[in-house]
Formats: sequence, structure tokens, C-alpha cells
Amino acid sequence: NAGVTQTPKFRVLKTGQSMTLLCAQDMNHEYMYWYRQDPGMGLRLIHYSVGEGTTAKGEVPDGYNVSRLKKQNFLLGLESAAPSQTSVYFCASSYGGGLIQYFGAGTRLSVL
Amino acid sequence: EDKVVQSPLSLVVHEGDTVTLNCSYEVTNFRSLLWYKQEKKAPTFLFMLTSSGIEKKSGRLSSILDKKELFSILNITATQTGDSAVYLCAVDIRDDKIIFGKGTRLHILP
Repeated sequence: NAGVTQTPKFRVLKTGQSMTLLCAQDMNHEYMYWYRQDPGMGLRLIHYSVGEGTTAKGEVPDGYNVSRLKKQNFLLGLESAAPSQTSVYFCASSYGGGLIQYFGAGTRLSVL
Repeated sequence: EDKVVQSPLSLVVHEGDTVTLNCSYEVTNFRSLLWYKQEKKAPTFLFMLTSSGIEKKSGRLSSILDKKELFSILNITATQTGDSAVYLCAVDIRDDKIIFGKGTRLHILP
């Protein structure tokens, strides 16, 4: 019962470095999402995907890129990390829009 | 502007008490309202509400939606220390817009 798995769990970057966060789901869900959670801000949608090979922007997409080459994987990339991207990142998946989303355990990212 | 407001932001009660958490919303389109419980890590699903007036229950937790007055409540009866968590309310508007409230941090004292 893996559900939604995120790697890594923690990461520290220096300003300007790049990295990729990986999200994998084994529930055959069509939709996948990336959120960031900041204190006092709630969860905010960065990018999402409605199926393999598709991606789209959410509420706060700037500074991030995503790819969904395989249905079960959704990658979030930071090309040039900035301190403002220090946050906890959550991946989620669902069968479709407007339905229950299942979340991964999160990745805590610090950018120095 | 679409918004979801939860209240209170923080609540401390004693074990055995009953609590009511509130979620009000103003959105341009409504598909569903979801409640999640977030302990230390991943938010876990509690309820999904799409129709007014139909109470959903799971053990000591229940929730109801009022689409006329634009709010939902989450009730927890006979609270236990394991209920301590942040409770998140989210309104699903469309594929690229899911608005989460800031959450209610609930702490249950033994």
C-alpha cells in the first residue's frame, strides 16, 4: 500500500542550484498535483497534470517546471533555486478533477 | 477573488469536549469541498461534500455543507488526544484552481 511516494524527504540547496523532486503513485490515478505549503499560507497549487504527457500551471508556477512522461510519475524541477522557494512540497494524485486527492508525505526544502 | 476562510485558526480543548470547525468560502465555481486532517506529514482525507444538507459521518467526526450560505462545518464529538492536528478545508473550483484554507490547529489536552 505505497500510495503516493515522494523523494527526497529533505533537501538543502544553495541559491542558484537546481534539483528535481520525484513523485510516484501506484493507484493508476490520472491527475497529479504539486503543492507548496508555507506557514500561514495554506497549500498552494504549483502545477498539475490531467494525464500522461500533459502538464498545466496552477496558482504559483513561477520558478518551477514539471514533467509527466509516465502516468505514475510527476517530477517537479527547480532550475535555479531561490530562498523564496524554501517550503514544504506536497505531491497529490486523484482519479479526476474535483475528486479526493491523496497526498505524499512531503519534501522539506531549504534554500540558503 | 476566490477565497476559503477557516475559523478558528487555533483551538485548545480538553479531552471529551465537542468541537466545531468552520469553513466559509466565496468562489466563482464550485465542484466540491473537502476536509483533510494533517498531523505531522501528509494531509489525509476526511470528507468530500458536494450537496447541501447531507451530513457525512465517520465515527466521531461529521461534516455538512450549506451551499446557500457558503459554508461547511466539521464536528468532532468526544475528542481524544489523537484528534490533535491541523484540519484543512479545500474548495475545488476547476482543474487549475483548488483553494485551501489556512487550517485550524486543534490541540486536545488530556
